[in-house]
Amino acid sequence: SQQGEEDPQALSIQEGENATMNCSYKTSINNLQWYRQNSGRGLVHLILIRSNEREKHSGRLRVTLDTSKKSSSLLITASRAADTASYFCATRDNYGQNFVFGPGTRLSVLP
Amino acid sequence: DAGITQSPRHKVTETGTPVTLRCHQTENHRYMYWYRQDPGHGLRLIHYSYGVKDTDKGEVSDGYSVSRSKTEDFLLTLESATSSQTSVYFCAISPGDATVFFGPGTRLTVL
Repeated sequence: SQQGEEDPQALSIQEGENATMNCSYKTSINNLQWYRQNSGRGLVHLILIRSNEREKHSGRLRVTLDTSKKSSSLLITASRAADTASYFCATRDNYGQNFVFGPGTRLSVLP
Repeated sequence: DAGITQSPRHKVTETGTPVTLRCHQTENHRYMYWYRQDPGHGLRLIHYSYGVKDTDKGEVSDGYSVSRSKTEDFLLTLESATSSQTSVYFCAISPGDATVFFGPGTRLTVL
């Protein structure tokens, strides 16, 4: 079963607005990562947050982690058309080296 | 797609034929992974390797086999392709920490 589950499945916003995506997971984790996938391309790593961190920033990205709720959120501020992509959260499974991905959130930023 | 190539990038084949996909890395990373990506399922792990000749099954390994005779190459074989194996296949590599890097993907169509 999938470790990470993103919500919503699809999100459509206007350029300049903020976009928030959520991820829930089922078991204890050491870290959680967010990836972006542009149409027809491979996944690109965006940001990693460790289990002892609550919030992390990288440019226009802000990630939060609530281990008590087993959830994470990705906030993209001042969105641009170029942010249009699918976004995935990933966790490492309990056996160590496998990365488990959710089904993703498809973000459309309209100009 | 740092240091990861996949071949072929596109393939159309017929049901019942064998198919081999190749992943090649120049990063000398220990871990290599094969995922398939299908609408609504995100990425699902097929097989992974934690060293030369060391491989193990993932979530959706039925109908697939892998081999890793050299650090840089990880082969995925469909012994007898079926229409349900039509998908986009991604190779990924990791040095063993929290980072994982993806190849550009192979689009496989089984008619």
